[in-house]
Amino acid sequence: QITLKESGPTLVKPTQTLTLTCTFSGFSLNTTGAGVGWIRQPPGKALEWLGLIYWNDDNRYSPSLKSRLTITKDTSKNQVVLTMTDMGPVDTATYYCAHRQGDGYNYGPLDYWGQGTLVTVSS
Amino acid sequence: QPVLTQPPSASASLGASVTLTCTLSSGYSNYKVDWFQQRPGKGPRFLMRVGTGGIVGSKGDGIPDRFSVLGSGLNRYLTIRNIQEEDESDYHCGADHGSGSKFVWVFGGGTKLTVL
Repeated sequence: QITLKESGPTLVKPTQTLTLTCTFSGFSLNTTGAGVGWIRQPPGKALEWLGLIYWNDDNRYSPSLKSRLTITKDTSKNQVVLTMTDMGPVDTATYYCAHRQGDGYNYGPLDYWGQGTLVTVSS
Repeated sequence: QPVLTQPPSASASLGASVTLTCTLSSGYSNYKVDWFQQRPGKGPRFLMRVGTGGIVGSKGDGIPDRFSVLGSGLNRYLTIRNIQEEDESDYHCGADHGSGSKFVWVFGGGTKLTVL
């Protein structure tokens, strides 16, 4: 059974850097084709994809946020870390991580999601 | 990259059926779309992937047979039969596009389904 859970600060100040951790079980990021994505959702608004990391350390980032984002993995801890710099009030959102699986060429959907963690940006 | 458009709201009576629509922007008629259910206060739950030929792959874990999909032209449909109270949720569609450094994942604005 695949599960994911996000953790990190609930409140950050403007200009600070946000660091969130996704701790997962039921799969390994050592497995070919495995990936973890980050998605956020401002209150009352649509989902917004942030980025992905794959088993081979290949990263994909949203073009609009690429300069502020870094996603890394620690396979020994079954964790993926999202770092977002220069946080502002518009970054207030619930942040989700999700699992993706493929064969290295063709990939499936974001099929398992965490419960999300609400991050508020305010001074 | 594609734009996914969803009506902001829909409603249906208990026990009835409803079809939700996700419309791809012009030029993307061959794209597959993923449907997600998001109950109030919860994270999204993957329902199933749909292309022009219908469902692609398997449904998400525990998704009942009452949920089905179809695809036609630029539209990707999610139909819920025999609607239950627990189906009252936001429904999102999403699709990936591109490869390499140009890869993106886009989502529609979501449809809020109210069960009457």
